[in-house]
Amino acid sequence: QITLKESGPTLVKPTQTLTLTCTFSGFSLSTSGVSVSWIRQPPGKAPECLALIYWDDDKRYSPSLKSRLTITKDTSRNQVVLTMTNMDPVDTATYYCAHSGTVRNAFDIWGQGTMVTVSS
Amino acid sequence: DIVMTQSPESLAVSLGERATINCKSSQSLLYRANNKKYLAWYQQKPGQPPKLLINWASTRESGVPDRFSGSESGTDFTLTITSLQAEDVAVYYCQQYHSSPRTFGQGTKVEIK
Repeated sequence: QITLKESGPTLVKPTQTLTLTCTFSGFSLSTSGVSVSWIRQPPGKAPECLALIYWDDDKRYSPSLKSRLTITKDTSRNQVVLTMTNMDPVDTATYYCAHSGTVRNAFDIWGQGTMVTVSS
Repeated sequence: DIVMTQSPESLAVSLGERATINCKSSQSLLYRANNKKYLAWYQQKPGQPPKLLINWASTRESGVPDRFSGSESGTDFTLTITSLQAEDVAVYYCQQYHSSPRTFGQGTKVEIK
């Protein structure tokens, strides 16, 4: 059974850096084709893909946020970490990590998400 | 970026009746190497993450009731719920995974009339 769980701060101040960790089980991020993505969803709005990391360490970023994002993986610890710099109140959202089992596939399993509020 | 446009924004349907949600992509989602369209449908209930219902435009995920179906024509995609049940009240999103960044439609809220 595949599970993912997000962890990190619930409140960050403007200009601070957000670090979120996705801890997963039930699959290996060293298996060919597998990827983990970070997706955020502001309250009442549609989800937005932020970043994706593949089993071979290939990475994809949202073009509009690329300068602020870094995604890394620790295969031995079954974790994927997302950092987002220079946080702003508009970044207030629920942040999810999600699994895809093959290259260029939908997000078949999602974590429960973690709500992050950006406020001074 | 590929823009996904959903309609309507909201939909009220009587129990047992049909609900139809539309989604249009700004570019083709066809991958010629396998003749598949890279379009997914998700269901999201309040306080929950999105749940994958349909992959490859028309393939139901395991465990998804067969009242949910997906179809496509060119760059137009449709999610149909043939007999709406109370538990189907949710927001539904289409999403393309043909190109990066993967993009979602703005969502369709389905309610009971």
